Amino acid sequence: DAKTTQPNSMESNEEEPVHLPCNHSTISGTDYIHWYRQLPSQGPEYVIHGLTSNVNNRMASLAIAEDRKSSTLILHRATLRDAAVYYCILRDYSTSGTYKYIFGTGTRLKVLA
Amino acid sequence: DVKVTQSSRYLVKRTGEKVFLECVQDMDHENMFWYRQDPGLGLRLIYFSYDVKMKEKGDIPEGYSVSREKKERFSLILESASTNQTSMYLCASSPSQGAKGGTEAFFGQGTRLTVV
Repeated sequence: DAKTTQPNSMESNEEEPVHLPCNHSTISGTDYIHWYRQLPSQGPEYVIHGLTSNVNNRMASLAIAEDRKSSTLILHRATLRDAAVYYCILRDYSTSGTYKYIFGTGTRLKVLA
Repeated sequence: DVKVTQSSRYLVKRTGEKVFLECVQDMDHENMFWYRQDPGLGLRLIYFSYDVKMKEKGDIPEGYSVSREKKERFSLILESASTNQTSMYLCASSPSQGAKGGTEAFFGQGTRLTVV
């Protein structure tokens, strides 16, 4: 299974942009890059995903390196409600032809008021 | 809104008991997943299912089995609970690859299981 590597923790000041990095050097050509976050006492929730091009949605932006071996989740203006564990994962294909999500340990983001 | 519902938020069971964790989704998703989450280890995939009666092992299937008799329901079974299965269990569902609306996964709130 393809794996991702993220820093264990990061801090950001409120109202400032946050760049959360992820390395996935063993990514294959068909692996989508997904980001999820987990707020305290909740299940993970979807943030954004992409394959090759940079992506934007109402929550965040995803910048994907040209060689696809790394990506960066960008929160444009961090708020206290963005404090969570952020997971970068690869949507991996299984032997049955379907796909599965393999999580790593994520980055714990602390937002300072 | 998509809803993934796990039957219990908290559960306490005795060693050796047979334990059933239930998960129901209301969006007609083909794929369903069971994870466990432990401090320092992140989420680890136990089993997943891509259709009724179809299942595939994840990274840590030992000591667990699953059942999917209906599309909306995916059960995780601990045949003989042990203390090392004390954990947070998370269920998720997602549409198949070709479905409209993307392929994001939706998670339940989790079941915190304690085996004593």
